[in-house]
Amino acid sequence: GEQVEQLPSILRVQEGSSASINCSYEDSASNYFPWYKQEPGENPKLIIDIRSNMERKQIQELIVLLDKKAKRFSLHITDTQPGDSAMYFCAARGSGGSNAKLTFGKGTKLSVKS
Amino acid sequence: AQTIHQWPVAEIKAVGSPLSLGCTIKGKSSPNLYWYWQATGGTLQQLFYSITVGQVESVVQLNLSASRPKDDQFILSTEKLLLSHSGFYLCAWSLGGARDTQYFGPGTRLLVL
Repeated sequence: GEQVEQLPSILRVQEGSSASINCSYEDSASNYFPWYKQEPGENPKLIIDIRSNMERKQIQELIVLLDKKAKRFSLHITDTQPGDSAMYFCAARGSGGSNAKLTFGKGTKLSVKS
Repeated sequence: AQTIHQWPVAEIKAVGSPLSLGCTIKGKSSPNLYWYWQATGGTLQQLFYSITVGQVESVVQLNLSASRPKDDQFILSTEKLLLSHSGFYLCAWSLGGARDTQYFGPGTRLLVL
């Protein structure tokens, strides 16, 4: 099955700087890559996603890049704020259609210091 | 607008006791439904998914079972809890087909002692 590696596991940045989280996957047929933000005690919330027909997507301060050849995708948060502090999970949906399993990375704990 | 509820919010149970967790989604007909498990500080592990009433596919069983008795209801259960069942259980839904983005419910926290 699909495997997703996510790095770093812990990321500390200064308010106003950028934060980057990198994920890699194994199944070259994977075609959907969502990112979720999870605050302590809360459920994960979708913040941005990208499909395999795109290389870049931006929603406000969130940028997702996808390199299908290298089987890597990344989340970049520009101008970080204390409210961005949370766990972030990347995921990849393997081959097999819309009901294929969503495999998650192990998560990145982002801390933004003011 | 769609709403997703999970019950109970939290539960403390004894090893060997039975368990039933529920998930209901309103505002969407025939959604795809999913159960996930998350250990404290851990990643999200998909357990089951269902695309229609009465049909459930197992991804990872962990000595649990799931059923979909109604279009808007998904149940996770076991007859005998293990210590390793402790964690955060999340129900998620998607529209299916090309609209496959998954959205999570509020979750149920389970502690097995």
